[in-house]
Amino acid sequence: DTGVSQNPRHKITKRGQNVTFRCDPISEHNRLYWYRQTLGQGPEFLTYFQNEAQLEKSRLLSDRFSAERPKGSFSTLEIQRTEQGDSAMYLCASSLGGAASYEQYFGPGTRLTVT
Amino acid sequence: AQSVTQPDIHITVSEGASLELRCNYSYGATPYLFWYVQSPGQGLQLLLKYFSGDTLVQGIKGFEAEFKRSQSSFNLRKPSVHWSDAAEYFCAVGMTTDSWGKFQFGAGTQVVVTP
Repeated sequence: DTGVSQNPRHKITKRGQNVTFRCDPISEHNRLYWYRQTLGQGPEFLTYFQNEAQLEKSRLLSDRFSAERPKGSFSTLEIQRTEQGDSAMYLCASSLGGAASYEQYFGPGTRLTVT
Repeated sequence: AQSVTQPDIHITVSEGASLELRCNYSYGATPYLFWYVQSPGQGLQLLLKYFSGDTLVQGIKGFEAEFKRSQSSFNLRKPSVHWSDAAEYFCAVGMTTDSWGKFQFGAGTQVVVTP
């Protein structure tokens, strides 16, 4: 297993455009998490899935942010009508359930720049 | 409110010297505690974790950390630093009142290793 992968690694977009990021977790992991990391800060939790169910999304930053995991495997994070403040690194992580949910494996991230 | 404080934003250490990174947390219950490392262009990698039991935990790459309940601290140490240890280090608290792997991360400490 090659670990958690994220695509694209870098995305430059103009303000007002929509962007979508993809995360492929470790295959046997049923939990998947999205985080945002801004410069000089640690990751900030956004949302998470158990299989295809999105169990926590209150931390999504606004209604412009949405995430899906339609078949319980890969996930997408979409940002609509991007703003300059959305520029950040978006990290995905996956884990098994139970206490192992704290042993999260992170992908390399997608760096978003909004111009 | 829960919080994680890493007092040192930046540390410079000579190769071969010892390293200690500080982490203090504020949480109403006994948390799960973690240290992650992030190298440029890489995702976060778990160095070590504390759930319960022995308060001195060993991790990968020669790192160890000690949980001190009375001080609400979980400091990371390495006896002899290698140039490859240059990276950003994040302390994280797992909220044990949640069952699904929610973390609060510190802001990180950037470690620079000089020859």
